[in-house]
Amino acid sequence: EIVLTQSPVTLSLSPGERATLSCRASQSVSSYLAWYQQKPGQAPRLLIYDASNRATGIPARFSGSGSGTDFTLTISSLEPEDFAVYYCQQRSSWPLTFGGGTKVEIK
Amino acid sequence: QVQLVQSGAEVKKPGASLKVSCKASGYTFTNYGISWVRQAPGQGLEWMGWISAYNGNTNYAQMLQDRVTMTTDTSTSTAYMELRSLRSDDTALYYCARGGGGWHFDYWGQGTLVTVSS
Repeated sequence: EIVLTQSPVTLSLSPGERATLSCRASQSVSSYLAWYQQKPGQAPRLLIYDASNRATGIPARFSGSGSGTDFTLTISSLEPEDFAVYYCQQRSSWPLTFGGGTKVEIK
Repeated sequence: QVQLVQSGAEVKKPGASLKVSCKASGYTFTNYGISWVRQAPGQGLEWMGWISAYNGNTNYAQMLQDRVTMTTDTSTSTAYMELRSLRSDDTALYYCARGGGGWHFDYWGQGTLVTVSS
């Protein structure tokens, strides 16, 4: 099973700041990594797929990078609606797995 | 537009069985698989398994494979997840999502809250 480790667990930032979230895989997932945003009481929403492709309707301030075992989600300038929990997920091999999540909170 | 609409909340006793439905619309059902993902209270996301809506092939998380069965009804574009021998730690929000089997999870259902309690 591929283990995804996200860091930090919590990120305390102010609106307008840049957020950098990390996801590290226990073995290579090539570029088969996605990022999701989840707000309280809502289902997760796909942000980025295949490491760097923005999903439909996702603002350009969200970007993804990386390949192999190290991936980054960057939010260039935090908007109030971006404070949420973010998960990475790999589809390289069964079982599909999620990271433990990073909570981006208001400082 | 693509929609996944799940059945309503359930309260079950330990040892009982559960069946949650996920009705898809807005796309050709057999072109994508459906995965089931659950989230225990205050916890992260756990992938439970996947079913191909094209041919019914499945892949289950090892820790659940003895208790879970996923099926589809292509005539109604509905996916089902059955979980047996329920335990208190099965209490969670259960989501269906389009994807898995070589695809990311691009659309999600609204979630079904399942509470297992005596």
